[in-house]
Amino acid sequence: SYDLTQPLSVSVALGQAARLTCGGQAITYKSVHWYRQRPGQAPVLVIYRDTNRPSGIPERFSGSNSENTATLTLNSVQAGDEADYYCQVWDGTAVVFGGGTKLTVL
Amino acid sequence: QVQLVQSEAEVKKPGASAKVSCKASGYTFSGHAMYWMWQAPGQRPEWMGRINVANGDTKYSEKFQGRVTITRDISANTVFMELSSLRLEDTGLYYCARSVGATGEGWFDPWGQGTQVIVSS
Repeated sequence: SYDLTQPLSVSVALGQAARLTCGGQAITYKSVHWYRQRPGQAPVLVIYRDTNRPSGIPERFSGSNSENTATLTLNSVQAGDEADYYCQVWDGTAVVFGGGTKLTVL
Repeated sequence: QVQLVQSEAEVKKPGASAKVSCKASGYTFSGHAMYWMWQAPGQRPEWMGRINVANGDTKYSEKFQGRVTITRDISANTVFMELSSLRLEDTGLYYCARSVGATGEGWFDPWGQGTQVIVSS
């Protein structure tokens, strides 16, 4: 089965940039999607197909995917960005989620 | 706007079944597959299965195969997920999520608000 590796936690100062990584074997050949999950809420799509932002997601959110690592970048981090972030890909017809990264805003 | 509204929380005893509903609105119901995800406290979401709403075809993950059944009522724009032979470790949040894009590369948007299922003796 295909595994996705995310750091357990990332801390960033208010207004700085945060880079959240998602590691997987040759992940560059997969479409990677990212979700934000605030405490007590359902996941919300923030990036699809590696680099695309859904309507309603600020331009501060961006994504990239190269070789064995996909990255979600949040510029000018705000207090409201504090949440768990999950990457997601497919392994054949099975859905795979990374373990999630807890983003803390200092 | 596209919205998925799920049924209320349930408390069940081990061995019982739980049936969760997910009512869709704001889009062509039969145009998208619907997936069900399970999230244990503090853990990542895990996919349980999906239904092709147009033709009723289903596919289940290995973990839940044999215990989960997903159905739909097109007239009511509603999808159902029933989990049988409940165990204490099935406690968690159950989400429906609309699939967008092709199977094998698509994403999930939106998700329902989640339904808490507590299994307790």
